[in-house]
Amino acid sequence: DQQVKQNSPSLSVQEGRISILNCDYTNSMFDYFLWYKKYPAEGPTFLISISSIKDKNEDGRFTVFLNKSAKHLSLHIVPSQPGDSAVYFCAASAKSGTYKYIFGTGTRLKVLA
Amino acid sequence: EAGVVQSPRYKIIEKKQPVAFWCNPISGHNTLYWYLQNLGQGPELLIRYENEEAVDDSQLPKDRFSAERLKGVDSTLKIQPAELGDSAVYLCASSLGTQETQYFGPGTRLLVL
Repeated sequence: DQQVKQNSPSLSVQEGRISILNCDYTNSMFDYFLWYKKYPAEGPTFLISISSIKDKNEDGRFTVFLNKSAKHLSLHIVPSQPGDSAVYFCAASAKSGTYKYIFGTGTRLKVLA
Repeated sequence: EAGVVQSPRYKIIEKKQPVAFWCNPISGHNTLYWYLQNLGQGPELLIRYENEEAVDDSQLPKDRFSAERLKGVDSTLKIQPAELGDSAVYLCASSLGTQETQYFGPGTRLLVL
Protein backbone atom coordinates (compact mmCIF):
# COMPACT_ATOMS: atom_id res chain seq x y z
CA ASP A 1 0.00 0.00 0.00
CA GLN A 2 1.64 3.18 -1.24
CA GLN A 3 1.05 5.88 1.35
CA VAL A 4 2.76 8.59 -0.72
CA LYS A 5 2.05 8.68 -4.43
CA GLN A 6 3.60 10.60 -7.26
CA ASN A 7 1.43 9.63 -10.19
CA SER A 8 3.45 11.38 -12.89
CA PRO A 9 6.68 9.48 -13.58
CA SER A 10 7.97 12.27 -15.82
CA LEU A 11 7.38 15.88 -16.79
CA SER A 12 8.88 18.10 -19.49
CA VAL A 13 8.77 21.87 -19.25
CA GLN A 14 10.21 24.67 -21.34
CA GLU A 15 12.92 26.81 -19.74
CA GLY A 16 11.44 29.88 -18.06
CA ARG A 17 8.00 28.32 -17.60
CA ILE A 18 6.50 26.95 -14.40
CA SER A 19 7.04 23.33 -13.34
CA ILE A 20 4.36 21.80 -11.13
CA LEU A 21 5.07 18.48 -9.47
CA ASN A 22 2.30 16.73 -7.59
CA CYS A 23 2.13 14.37 -4.64
CA ASP A 24 -0.79 12.66 -2.90
CA TYR A 25 -0.82 10.92 0.45
CA THR A 26 -3.27 8.64 2.20
CA ASN A 27 -2.22 8.67 5.85
CA SER A 28 -4.00 11.46 7.75
CA MET A 29 -1.37 11.19 10.51
CA PHE A 30 1.28 12.74 8.25
CA ASP A 31 2.03 16.26 9.44
CA TYR A 32 5.36 17.12 7.85
CA PHE A 33 6.22 17.01 4.17
CA LEU A 34 9.42 17.45 2.20
CA TRP A 35 10.69 17.58 -1.34
CA TYR A 36 14.06 16.18 -2.32
CA LYS A 37 15.86 16.55 -5.63
CA LYS A 38 18.10 13.81 -6.97
CA TYR A 39 20.68 14.01 -9.74
CA PRO A 40 22.05 10.80 -11.31
CA ALA A 41 24.68 9.02 -9.20
CA GLU A 42 24.06 11.37 -6.26
CA GLY A 43 21.99 11.09 -3.11
CA PRO A 44 18.73 13.01 -2.66
CA THR A 45 19.24 16.66 -1.75
CA PHE A 46 16.79 18.42 0.55
CA LEU A 47 14.88 21.15 -1.25
CA ILE A 48 11.99 22.46 0.80
CA SER A 49 9.58 21.35 3.52
CA ILE A 50 6.22 22.28 4.95
CA SER A 51 4.47 21.59 8.21
CA SER A 52 0.77 20.77 8.26
CA ILE A 53 0.06 23.99 10.16
CA LYS A 54 0.87 25.92 6.97
CA ASP A 55 -0.55 25.73 3.49
CA LYS A 56 2.34 27.36 1.66
CA ASN A 57 6.09 27.67 2.01
CA GLU A 58 8.34 29.59 -0.32
CA ASP A 59 12.09 29.52 -0.88
CA GLY A 60 13.31 31.48 -3.85
CA ARG A 61 12.05 29.85 -7.04
CA PHE A 62 10.52 26.94 -5.11
CA THR A 63 7.10 26.97 -3.46
CA VAL A 64 5.33 24.05 -1.84
CA PHE A 65 1.55 24.10 -1.43
CA LEU A 66 -0.31 21.81 0.96
CA ASN A 67 -4.01 20.99 0.71
CA LYS A 68 -4.78 18.93 3.81
CA SER A 69 -8.40 18.27 2.99
CA ALA A 70 -7.39 16.78 -0.36
CA LYS A 71 -4.26 15.14 1.08
CA HIS A 72 -2.31 16.71 -1.74
CA LEU A 73 0.83 18.75 -2.04
CA SER A 74 2.58 20.30 -4.98
CA LEU A 75 5.95 21.81 -5.73
CA HIS A 76 6.09 24.83 -8.02
CA ILE A 77 9.34 25.86 -9.66
CA VAL A 78 9.28 29.21 -11.39
CA PRO A 79 11.03 30.06 -13.56
CA SER A 80 12.29 26.58 -14.46
CA GLN A 81 15.95 26.28 -15.43
CA PRO A 82 17.83 23.47 -17.24
CA GLY A 83 19.75 22.79 -13.99
CA ASP A 84 16.45 21.85 -12.36
CA SER A 85 16.34 18.70 -14.49
CA ALA A 86 16.40 15.89 -11.94
CA VAL A 87 14.18 13.38 -10.17
CA TYR A 88 12.02 14.95 -7.47
CA PHE A 89 10.85 12.90 -4.49
CA CYS A 90 8.04 13.83 -2.18
CA ALA A 91 8.30 12.53 1.40
CA ALA A 92 5.96 12.59 4.37
CA SER A 93 6.29 11.86 8.05
CA ALA A 94 4.24 11.86 11.22
CA LYS A 95 6.32 13.99 13.59
CA SER A 96 4.17 13.00 16.46
CA GLY A 97 4.88 9.36 15.68
CA THR A 98 7.89 7.47 14.45
CA TYR A 99 9.31 10.35 12.37
CA LYS A 100 9.87 7.86 9.57
CA TYR A 101 10.05 9.44 6.13
CA ILE A 102 7.81 7.73 3.58
CA PHE A 103 8.90 8.56 0.05
CA GLY A 104 6.99 8.62 -3.19
CA THR A 105 8.36 6.98 -6.33
CA GLY A 106 9.63 10.22 -7.82
CA THR A 107 8.92 12.41 -10.85
CA ARG A 108 11.62 12.96 -13.44
CA LEU A 109 11.62 16.62 -14.51
CA LYS A 110 13.24 17.66 -17.74
CA VAL A 111 13.60 21.37 -18.41
CA LEU A 112 14.12 22.04 -22.09
CA ALA A 113 16.41 24.89 -23.12
CA GLU B 1 31.02 21.61 5.95
CA ALA B 2 31.47 18.05 4.69
CA GLY B 3 28.33 16.13 3.85
CA VAL B 4 27.49 12.50 4.52
CA VAL B 5 30.29 10.28 3.24
CA GLN B 6 29.71 6.77 1.97
CA SER B 7 32.04 4.12 0.63
CA PRO B 8 32.40 2.33 -1.61
CA ARG B 9 30.40 4.15 -4.29
CA TYR B 10 30.01 1.01 -6.37
CA LYS B 11 30.30 -2.67 -5.55
CA ILE B 12 29.90 -5.74 -7.74
CA ILE B 13 29.83 -9.15 -6.05
CA GLU B 14 28.66 -12.66 -6.76
CA LYS B 15 25.62 -13.98 -4.97
CA LYS B 16 26.22 -15.64 -1.60
CA GLN B 17 29.23 -13.38 -0.98
CA PRO B 18 29.29 -10.93 1.94
CA VAL B 19 29.40 -7.17 1.42
CA ALA B 20 29.73 -4.17 3.73
CA PHE B 21 28.95 -0.49 3.30
CA TRP B 22 30.37 2.32 5.38
CA CYS B 23 28.86 5.68 6.29
CA ASN B 24 30.24 8.74 8.06
CA PRO B 25 27.49 11.21 8.95
CA ILE B 26 27.67 14.99 9.09
CA SER B 27 29.63 16.05 12.16
CA GLY B 28 27.38 16.51 15.16
CA HIS B 29 24.45 14.60 13.70
CA ASN B 30 23.22 12.15 16.31
CA THR B 31 20.66 10.38 14.15
CA LEU B 32 21.78 8.11 11.34
CA TYR B 33 19.63 6.25 8.83
CA TRP B 34 20.21 3.49 6.29
CA TYR B 35 17.85 3.39 3.33
CA LEU B 36 17.39 1.01 0.42
CA GLN B 37 16.44 2.40 -2.97
CA ASN B 38 15.33 0.05 -5.71
CA LEU B 39 15.22 1.15 -9.33
CA GLY B 40 12.24 3.40 -10.00
CA GLN B 41 11.31 3.61 -6.34
CA GLY B 42 11.81 6.05 -3.51
CA PRO B 43 14.15 5.33 -0.61
CA GLU B 44 12.84 2.94 2.05
CA LEU B 45 14.11 3.03 5.61
CA LEU B 46 16.05 0.00 6.81
CA ILE B 47 17.28 1.17 10.20
CA ARG B 48 17.55 4.33 12.29
CA TYR B 49 20.14 5.01 14.99
CA GLU B 50 19.99 7.52 17.81
CA ASN B 51 23.67 7.78 18.74
CA GLU B 52 24.75 4.13 19.04
CA GLU B 53 21.28 2.73 19.67
CA ALA B 54 19.19 1.19 16.88
CA VAL B 55 15.75 2.65 17.69
CA ASP B 56 13.92 1.44 14.59
CA ASP B 57 15.11 -1.66 12.74
CA SER B 58 11.69 -3.05 11.92
CA GLN B 59 12.35 -2.96 8.16
CA LEU B 60 15.80 -4.58 8.33
CA PRO B 61 15.78 -8.21 7.06
CA LYS B 62 17.62 -9.60 10.03
CA ASP B 63 18.33 -13.01 8.55
CA ARG B 64 20.99 -11.56 6.26
CA PHE B 65 21.35 -7.87 7.08
CA SER B 66 23.13 -6.39 10.06
CA ALA B 67 24.24 -2.90 11.03
CA GLU B 68 26.31 -1.31 13.73
CA ARG B 69 27.21 2.15 14.96
CA LEU B 70 29.55 1.28 17.78
CA LYS B 71 30.79 4.73 18.87
CA GLY B 72 27.72 6.65 17.78
CA VAL B 73 29.46 8.23 14.80
CA ASP B 74 30.15 6.19 11.67
CA SER B 75 28.16 3.10 10.78
CA THR B 76 28.48 -0.10 8.79
CA LEU B 77 25.73 -2.03 7.03
CA LYS B 78 26.46 -5.63 6.13
CA ILE B 79 24.74 -8.22 3.97
CA GLN B 80 25.71 -11.86 4.36
CA PRO B 81 25.05 -13.70 2.15
CA ALA B 82 24.01 -11.39 -0.67
CA GLU B 83 21.19 -12.41 -3.01
CA LEU B 84 20.39 -11.26 -6.53
CA GLY B 85 17.44 -9.22 -5.24
CA ASP B 86 19.75 -7.15 -3.04
CA SER B 87 20.98 -5.25 -6.09
CA ALA B 88 20.01 -1.66 -5.31
CA VAL B 89 21.37 1.65 -4.04
CA TYR B 90 22.05 1.80 -0.31
CA LEU B 91 21.74 5.32 1.04
CA CYS B 92 22.91 6.68 4.34
CA ALA B 93 21.42 9.84 5.83
CA SER B 94 21.92 11.81 9.01
CA SER B 95 20.13 14.50 10.97
CA LEU B 96 20.77 16.59 14.07
CA GLY B 97 17.91 14.86 15.81
CA THR B 98 14.96 12.68 15.00
CA GLN B 99 12.72 15.62 14.13
CA GLU B 100 15.29 17.42 12.02
CA THR B 101 15.75 17.32 8.26
CA GLN B 102 17.63 14.32 6.92
CA TYR B 103 20.67 14.82 4.68
CA PHE B 104 21.69 12.02 2.36
CA GLY B 105 25.02 10.69 1.20
CA PRO B 106 25.72 9.75 -2.44
CA GLY B 107 24.84 6.09 -1.87
CA THR B 108 26.50 2.78 -2.66
CA ARG B 109 25.28 1.09 -5.82
CA LEU B 110 25.37 -2.68 -5.32
CA LEU B 111 25.17 -5.20 -8.13
CA VAL B 112 24.86 -8.85 -7.20
CA LEU B 113 25.61 -11.29 -10.04
